[in-house]
Amino acid sequence: EAGVTQSPTHLIKTRGQQATLRCSPISGHTSVYWYQQALGLGLQFLLWYDEGEERNRGNFPPRFSGRQFPNYSSELNVNALELEDSALYLCASSLGQGRLNEQFFGPGTRLTVL
Amino acid sequence: DAKTTQPTSMDCAEGRAANLPCNHSTISGNEYVYWYRQIHSQGPQYIIHGLKNNETNEMASLIITEDRKSSTLILPHATLRDTAVYYCIVREGYTGNQFYFGTGTSLTVIP
Repeated sequence: EAGVTQSPTHLIKTRGQQATLRCSPISGHTSVYWYQQALGLGLQFLLWYDEGEERNRGNFPPRFSGRQFPNYSSELNVNALELEDSALYLCASSLGQGRLNEQFFGPGTRLTVL
Repeated sequence: DAKTTQPTSMDCAEGRAANLPCNHSTISGNEYVYWYRQIHSQGPQYIIHGLKNNETNEMASLIITEDRKSSTLILPHATLRDTAVYYCIVREGYTGNQFYFGTGTSLTVIP
């Protein structure tokens, strides 16, 4: 069974540009979560999508946004990139809300903002 | 916000049991204790979770105190590949909600 996949593996952008990160969940999973892990820091919750809708977001500015497609894959968009957005962005998937479940993480996308 | 407290780092000799403690004194009745680990720059890996009973799987054992205010993750025979950051997380179990990761414990297994 394929795990959570993310693309691209690495992404280099300059300040002010936009970045788009993609995530494909495990087959059968309807929830997708995005986390940011800046260098030397812990994982910070960004966004949670389930059944195509945003269910919750963490303490991040509106320039962090995303969406979930009908096939449950997801995109994370970061607009007006800032240097401090450089981080490992992790996507996780799980069975839908209302069920006791664990989250399975992908390998991450390393975003570097120059 | 993270609701757990863990030691920053620990060492363990290869082949010995690694016991990783976690305090979660404000845990509520419907919150579960989850453990994940993250090997350098990889995605976190699920280890185990529990509510109030002790749990065991092929990776580890989870011991939760009777008052549920603390727990211990036990890796029975630590190997070098168990070197990682271990996160203890409490989460309400039935909404599929996000995890709030703390700073975790950096476990180093020594040959």
